[in-house]
Amino acid sequence: TQLLEQSPQFLSIQEGENLTVYCNSSSVFSSLQWYRQEPGEGPVLLVTVVTGGEVKKLKRLTFQFGDARKDSSLHITAAQPGDTGLYLCAGARGSSNTGKLIFGQGTTLQVKP
Amino acid sequence: KAGVTQTPRYLIKTRGQQVTLSCSPISGHRSVSWYQQTPGQGLQFLFEYFSETQRNKGNFPGRFSGRQFSNSRSEMNVSTLELGDSALYLCASSLVGGISGNTIYFGEGSWLTVV
Repeated sequence: TQLLEQSPQFLSIQEGENLTVYCNSSSVFSSLQWYRQEPGEGPVLLVTVVTGGEVKKLKRLTFQFGDARKDSSLHITAAQPGDTGLYLCAGARGSSNTGKLIFGQGTTLQVKP
Repeated sequence: KAGVTQTPRYLIKTRGQQVTLSCSPISGHRSVSWYQQTPGQGLQFLFEYFSETQRNKGNFPGRFSGRQFSNSRSEMNVSTLELGDSALYLCASSLVGGISGNTIYFGEGSWLTVV
C-alpha cells in the first residue's frame, strides 16, 4: 500500500497549458516536499511546505499543503518543455529531524513544444 | 560547492555476489540517507546515518547494510544479491537531517544491475 498517492501518473500536454499534480494520503505529515527528477540524475528539491494551508510559489509553480496536512498539490502555469521530468512528492512523519522521507510514485510530465 | 558524489555510477553483478556503494556528502553535511528507486516501487528509504550512527531504518532485509565514517562519507552494502535488487541507489545528504528548512541534496545515483 502506497502511503502517498500521486495522480496522475503520466501527463502529456502542449506547451502553454496549465496542469495540476496531486499528492494524497490518509496519514498526516509533519512536512512535505516536492522534487523534480530528470533522467540519469537524482531528484532536486523544489519546495518544502510545513504548515497546513500553506501556499508557496516558485515562478510558474504553485505548491499547496492541505489544511489537515494530508495532501498537497503542485500547479504549473503555462508549462514549458523545460518542465518535462518526473515530479515526486515526499513526506516526513513524526519528528521533522529526520532524513527519512516517504515518496509518492511520481508523475511523469511531458511538455511538447 | 561540490555536490553529493556517488561511486560507482554503473555496475553489473551476478546473483549471489555482494556489492558496496559509496557516497561522499556535501562538505559539512553530517546526515546521509540511502534510497532505492525502481520502476515498480518508486523511491524507498533504506537507512539514514548521522554522526556515524544509524538513525533511521526502512523495511529492507538484513542483506542491506550501511555505515558512515568519521568524515561523513557513507557506504552501503548488499550481500547475496537477488535479481530484484536491480535498481538505482540514491544517496542524499543534508546538514543535520531535519527536512523542515533543511535542504536535502541527492546524488546522481548508482545504477546496479543484477544478472
